[in-house]
Amino acid sequence: GAVVSQHPSWVICKSGTSVKIECRSLDFQATTMFWYRQFPKQSLMLMATSNEGSKATYEQGVEKDKFLINHASLTLSTLTVTSAHPEDSSFYICSAPGAANEQYFGPGTRLTVT
Amino acid sequence: AQSVTQPDIHITVSEGASLELRCNYSYGATPYLFWYVQSPGQGLQLLLKYFSGDTLVQGIKGFEAEFKRSQSSFNLRKPSVHWSDAAEYFCAVGLMEYGNKLVFGAGTILRVKS
Repeated sequence: GAVVSQHPSWVICKSGTSVKIECRSLDFQATTMFWYRQFPKQSLMLMATSNEGSKATYEQGVEKDKFLINHASLTLSTLTVTSAHPEDSSFYICSAPGAANEQYFGPGTRLTVT
Repeated sequence: AQSVTQPDIHITVSEGASLELRCNYSYGATPYLFWYVQSPGQGLQLLLKYFSGDTLVQGIKGFEAEFKRSQSSFNLRKPSVHWSDAAEYFCAVGLMEYGNKLVFGAGTILRVKS
């Protein structure tokens, strides 16, 4: 089946620095990818829709300048958390739509900002 | 607005007992419905999905779900729970008009006692 990978799986960074998370579709192409964040013991909340070749579409309340999304190719989307703060610590998950209206999820990236 | 409600935050069942996890949705069009399972610190695994046709759908690991339009429900069931089923379960509705982005319920944590 379709596989989506994320890198890194786990990252710790200092407050004020930026962190880039990669999402790759390994065996299929994705013109669209979705980025979710999940706080501990909570559900997944959609942050933005990443569109290959055009700007990302952000959900209401998500800061565009803080969460930079770049869909560089048909198999790669990146999420950069800029000037990270402890409140940005979360589990970030990406997904890509595949055949038959399914979403294929990456394994997630746990970000801890100290 | 589209929403998904999972009224049970925690459920505890004995190993071998039957299980039903409730899910209600609010969506104006014909819904695409999904159940996902998430183990601690892991990504999401698709259990089953409903797009159209037979309202009783079979999934992996012995799970099934029934779509009831009149009740706006898509409850997940399993006749005999195994200890390895302990995890968090998420119901989601797919918004086809938005590229199939998903709206998730809050999740239900399943505990299995031996």
